[in-house]
Amino acid sequence: QKEVEQNSGPLSVPEGAIASLNCTYSDRGSQSFFWYRQYSGKSPELIMFIYSNGDKEDGRFTAQLNKASQYVSLLIRDSQPSDSATYLCAVGLVGANNLFFGTGTRLTVIP
Amino acid sequence: DGGITQSPKYLFRKEGQNVTLSCEQNLNHDAMYWYRQDPGQGLRLIYYSQIVNDFQKGDIAEGYSVSREKKESFPLTVTSAQKNPTAFYLCASSISGGPDYGYTFGSGTRLTVV
Repeated sequence: QKEVEQNSGPLSVPEGAIASLNCTYSDRGSQSFFWYRQYSGKSPELIMFIYSNGDKEDGRFTAQLNKASQYVSLLIRDSQPSDSATYLCAVGLVGANNLFFGTGTRLTVIP
Repeated sequence: DGGITQSPKYLFRKEGQNVTLSCEQNLNHDAMYWYRQDPGQGLRLIYYSQIVNDFQKGDIAEGYSVSREKKESFPLTVTSAQKNPTAFYLCASSISGGPDYGYTFGSGTRLTVV
């Protein structure tokens, strides 16, 4: 079983704060990691991907990967109410033909 | 603009009826996928296809069927054998099958049994 675990939340942060979303995975063969944002009733959209250990920044978003500890996180700086959504973590494994998704963390940014 | 088009947006199925969900992409992606999303359960893989005329079962294929006669199209049929089909269905595509590429999702079809 390829497990991708996320805290379902809800995670509430005040506007302007840093939101930290975490994801752990069970398979050490995991080699690619994706964060999707899904607004209520809508489909997921890709916001970040990371392949190597360390940090990757894109605007207000930073993805952090630690393969030794088998976790990947997403930081959202200067959180805005428009960031309120469910964030899905997805993992790609060597030899697999599809991504494996966590159940998502619901984030609420309070104005 | 390139993207994935799913239709219809909402679909109602009567008991014992087969229904087909459409998925078309103009991204020139090789791989296409069908997922089902239920509240609190995340995305579950139904079927996927890496090339034309070939497709593979995912984790919950029972009661579903697909075809891939064209690169652009990957329709999903929900048969009467699927006893609990009410869910949000998502079609996705990627440049190729494999772990290194993220997905582009369609806007989804919400299926309800009436």
